[in-house]
Amino acid sequence: LAKTTQPISMDSYEGQEVNITCSHNNIATNDYITWYQQFPSQGPRFIIQGYKTKVTNEVASLFIPADRKSSTLSLPRVSLSDTAVYYCLVDFGNEKLTFGTGTRLTIIP
Amino acid sequence: EAGVTQFPSHSVIEKGQTVTLRCDPISGHDNLYWYRRVMGKEIKFLLHFVKESKQDESGMPNNRFLAERTGGTYSTLKVQPAELEDSGVYFCASSDPGTGKGPAYEQYFGPGTRLTVT
Repeated sequence: LAKTTQPISMDSYEGQEVNITCSHNNIATNDYITWYQQFPSQGPRFIIQGYKTKVTNEVASLFIPADRKSSTLSLPRVSLSDTAVYYCLVDFGNEKLTFGTGTRLTIIP
Repeated sequence: EAGVTQFPSHSVIEKGQTVTLRCDPISGHDNLYWYRRVMGKEIKFLLHFVKESKQDESGMPNNRFLAERTGGTYSTLKVQPAELEDSGVYFCASSDPGTGKGPAYEQYFGPGTRLTVT
């Protein structure tokens, strides 16, 4: 399974755009890139998924360069409620998810 | 639509005792997964059911753990006998390929059961 590397923690002020980058050098051709968000005392929650280029939904955007060896989750105009741990996963198919350490994002008022 | 539910939310037992965790997936979801996070570690996969069949149980740590999903609905995870290193948070997730947006289908997680073995 492809391994991912992402910053352990990040801080940002409210209202700013936050970009979290994930490295996945060994991503396979069939792998998709998926991001999950986890609040304290809750299970992880799906945010966004993509294969290449750019994907945008009502919560975030996901930027994937042509070589797919990295991806960037972009959160527009963050608020205090965006404080959470964000996980980057590389997976294919309806199989087990492989979580790394995640990035602990803290939003400062 | 109700989400994935887990019971109990917290369990405290003594070493050597038995504990059974329950997971109710989203109605209609054939896929059910168990994960756990032990103290200070990453969330790790335990096993995957497709309906009542075990698709992948490669993450089960040892034979003290027994998972069942009779009838393909709810699932139980029994730990017998419990050891100190079993303490952690046990998550259940479910998914339905029919509503997936891509090959890596979205998994819906429950809130977890926090297990403390003393």
